Amino acid sequence: DSGVTQTPKHLITATGQRVTLRCSPRSGDLSVYWYQQSLDQGLQFLIQYYNGEERAKGNILERFSAQQFPDLHSELNLSSLELGDSALYFCASSGRTGPMDEQYFGPGTRLTVT
Amino acid sequence: AQSVTQLDSQVPVFEEAPVELRCNYSSSVSVYLFWYVQYPNQGLQLLLKYLSGSTLVKGINGFEAEFNKSQTSFHLRKPSVHISDTAEYFCAVSDRAGRRALTFGSGTRLQVQP
Repeated sequence: DSGVTQTPKHLITATGQRVTLRCSPRSGDLSVYWYQQSLDQGLQFLIQYYNGEERAKGNILERFSAQQFPDLHSELNLSSLELGDSALYFCASSGRTGPMDEQYFGPGTRLTVT
Repeated sequence: AQSVTQLDSQVPVFEEAPVELRCNYSSSVSVYLFWYVQYPNQGLQLLLKYLSGSTLVKGINGFEAEFNKSQTSFHLRKPSVHISDTAEYFCAVSDRAGRRALTFGSGTRLQVQP
């Protein structure tokens, strides 16, 4: 158990809909990262937050957005969903923002868009 | 920008045999190197990391990896595998200077057979 929790575990929704994925980092970790794992794209970095502020952006679509709240939990919002958005979405947390800091991964949320 | 290439998508091996999973990276800046393991239906777990110093890095579960700067490689090895090592293995890099997020390879599926 990494100490990072993600809800829900599974999500099935239809095209065009909007969903919110939630992540609670390990106690004391200030940094949260979101990754997408799909069969065709592999594991890709989406976005990072540190203590409530956006720190880095990766291959995140404009239809996707995220935020980190004062209690440090984070939410990833996916809107106007397409079939290709079906993937496993991971959240990871680390204590600081340094590149050597180990990132602890949650169990993921599996999103299926039908 | 960085990229990571894992040369083998699948590696079948018999139990108690040695194994090597290959990883090559490309980067215009110095990087930190990581190996993560993903067991079925689970998140990613850090096996080992190279930050600096000795090029031979030992990790959990008997795995080790060697950083070779001239060949830009970071191959993962284990002298004797167990059935329980069956999993997906990901090589990843993060740059030392700026971006903290991980860039992952496409993964190698290690299948340990009895």
